Amino acid sequence: QVQLVESGGNVVQPGRSLRLSCAASGFTFTNYVIHWVRQAPGKGLEWVATVSNDGSKNYYVDSVRGRFTISRDNSKNTVYLQIDSLRIEDTAVYYCVRDWLFDYWGQGTLVTVSS
Amino acid sequence: DVVMTQSPLSLPVTLGQPASISCRSSQSLVYSDGNTYLNWFQQRPGQSPRRLIYKVSNRDSGVPDRFSGSGSGTDFTLEISRVEAEDVGLYYCMQGTHWPRTFGQGTKVEIK
Repeated sequence: QVQLVESGGNVVQPGRSLRLSCAASGFTFTNYVIHWVRQAPGKGLEWVATVSNDGSKNYYVDSVRGRFTISRDNSKNTVYLQIDSLRIEDTAVYYCVRDWLFDYWGQGTLVTVSS
Repeated sequence: DVVMTQSPLSLPVTLGQPASISCRSSQSLVYSDGNTYLNWFQQRPGQSPRRLIYKVSNRDSGVPDRFSGSGSGTDFTLEISRVEAEDVGLYYCMQGTHWPRTFGQGTKVEIK
């Protein structure tokens, strides 16, 4: 069965960096784009970034462009989200999601930015 | 950016009664390939979101047939024919036609 397992969330200070991982299994990884979607505490869903199936194209919401980098290692069936210059407003649960049509979601990993 | 506006934001419903959620987009969601990329998601308390409906009206496997999606262009609706206790949670529409992808604010469905 399709599984997406996020990891890497932590409590970090503003200005620091963090790398999130999304390990995929149960499907042919190279056939699918992968997204990161976040949800701040008590708030709605916000699309953050997308990586194409071969990793050649990336897309970002304006609020994170230049600070977030999405990438993938198809040999490890894993997608990463490098988050630099963390801000208080980046505090959220980060979900990885499969496919252009957002069909499967992971359980999420919590990033808390606090001094 | 395409703004997705859901209404109502809170929807108290009696068990067994129907419920309807509206989602309006600020631009047409018809893509150049002729498809309309409008999805609906359910988020039960404490859980990850789960897709219910894709491309306006296609129900996902395992989703009860009391859920249905309809609409076109900029105006879309999610309907629950008879609300059950397990339907409590937040419901989001999302457009996958334009960049950036955008979600509605969410509609909270609760039992009266």
